[in-house]
Amino acid sequence: EAGVTQFPSHSVIEKGQTVTLRCDPISGHDNLYWYRRVMGKEIKFLLHFVKESKQDESGMPNNRFLAERTGGTYSTLKVQPAELEDSGVYFCASSQDGSIRRGYTFGSGTRLTVV
Amino acid sequence: GDSVTQMEGPVTLSEEAFLTINCTYTATGYPSLFWYVQYPGEGLQLLLKATKADDKGSNKGFEATYRKETTSFHLEKGSVQVSDSAVYFCALFSGGYNKLIFGAGTRLAVHP
Repeated sequence: EAGVTQFPSHSVIEKGQTVTLRCDPISGHDNLYWYRRVMGKEIKFLLHFVKESKQDESGMPNNRFLAERTGGTYSTLKVQPAELEDSGVYFCASSQDGSIRRGYTFGSGTRLTVV
Repeated sequence: GDSVTQMEGPVTLSEEAFLTINCTYTATGYPSLFWYVQYPGEGLQLLLKATKADDKGSNKGFEATYRKETTSFHLEKGSVQVSDSAVYFCALFSGGYNKLIFGAGTRLAVHP
C-alpha cells in the first residue's frame, strides 16, 4: 500500500507570506495527525483528525495555523502569515483506528524555512 | 505533563562500535515506549517498541528494555554500521493525552 505522502518536501517563503502544506494519509485511515519539529528540538503534537473532525487541536501554536480535512481524506495545514519561528519540519501521520498498538505511519515531512 | 528526555547528539562512532543512546521519561500511568528513526531524506519509521515494564523491544540489531524502576528505555546496538547513520527519537504514548510524545532526537553519525 502507498504510504503517507506529504508535499511539498521543502518550502522556502518570506516572512509574512502564506504557505499550505498537504498530507495524503494511507487510504482508509480515519485518524490523521500533524506534528512538527522546530529548531532541532523535540517533535511536538499539533492536532489530530478523526475523519473530517478535529479530535484534538491542543498543540496548535496560535491562530496563524489552520488545519482542514475536508471529506475526511487529505489534510492541509496553512500558515498565514508565516513567522520566522515557524521554520521546522512538519510531519503528518495516519493510523487506522487511533490505537497506538497498530502504530502510526509517518510521512517524510515538509521542511519549511521562513526567511 | 508527560515528557521524554534523551541524550544530546551528535553521537559519532566508528563502524562496529557499541552504541548506547539514553532515554528517560516522565509519565503518569504506564505508557508504551518507542524508538523511531529518521534516515536522511526519509520519514519517521518505527524502530522498536515495548508496551510494559521489563519488555524488550528489538529490531535490526537494536534493543531497548522498558525499565520502570529507572523510567528509562535506552537504545543499544552491539555493532553499528554506516547505514545506521540517522536521527533517533525516543517517544512514549501517553494514554492520558492520547498522543505520542517525543524526545528531541539524537543524531548518530557512523564512519567507516
